[in-house]
Amino acid sequence: QVHLVESGGGLVEPGGSLRLSCAASGFIFKDYYMSWIRQAPGKGLEWLSYIDTSSPSIYYADSVKGRFTISRDNAKNSLYLQMNSLRVEDTAIYYCARLPTSSIGSWFDPWGQGTLVTVSS
Amino acid sequence: DIQMTQSPSSLSASVGDRVTITCRTSQRVSTYVNWYQQKPGKAPNLLIYASSSLRSGVPSRFSGTGSGTDFTLTINSLQPEDFAVYYCQQSYSIPFTFGPGTKVDIK
Repeated sequence: QVHLVESGGGLVEPGGSLRLSCAASGFIFKDYYMSWIRQAPGKGLEWLSYIDTSSPSIYYADSVKGRFTISRDNAKNSLYLQMNSLRVEDTAIYYCARLPTSSIGSWFDPWGQGTLVTVSS
Repeated sequence: DIQMTQSPSSLSASVGDRVTITCRTSQRVSTYVNWYQQKPGKAPNLLIYASSSLRSGVPSRFSGTGSGTDFTLTINSLQPEDFAVYYCQQSYSIPFTFGPGTKVDIK
């Protein structure tokens, strides 16, 4: 059974940092592209970043470029999102998701349950 | 960036109704549109990929059509468990973008 579990969320002050993790199980993690997507409270979905199978191809949304870094450890079946210079507007539930095929033309399936990040003083 | 619009933004329907949600993209995206369902407090779940392919395990009352810039999600015979928010998403180009969502609630 394919399963994704995020962790690492919490309360952080503006300008602070946080590292999210996503533990994958039930599939061969190293064979799949992965993404982070977030959802601000009561708002819609915003794609943030994706990483290919071996990390040479990485893309970010403009809203997080230069502040967030996606990475993966295939030996640990884990995806990460290092978030620096956090802003109040980064407050959201952060989801990791698998892309079943290469990025273009693909889709997000499944999603993790999400981890809440709150940026507030 | 490719902009996504959805209509309506919300609708009220009864169990057994047929519901149609429309998604429009700001440029042509072939058939690279996916649909997700999100229930309160839960993560989104994939319903339809590549415009019209039904994800395994999703009831056949859900269907999708479209290509180019205009796409449709149809729910035939709405069931109580279908009351949720529905999002379309394009995967034609990066950044991947989502529609603003359509909330389907009980009339």
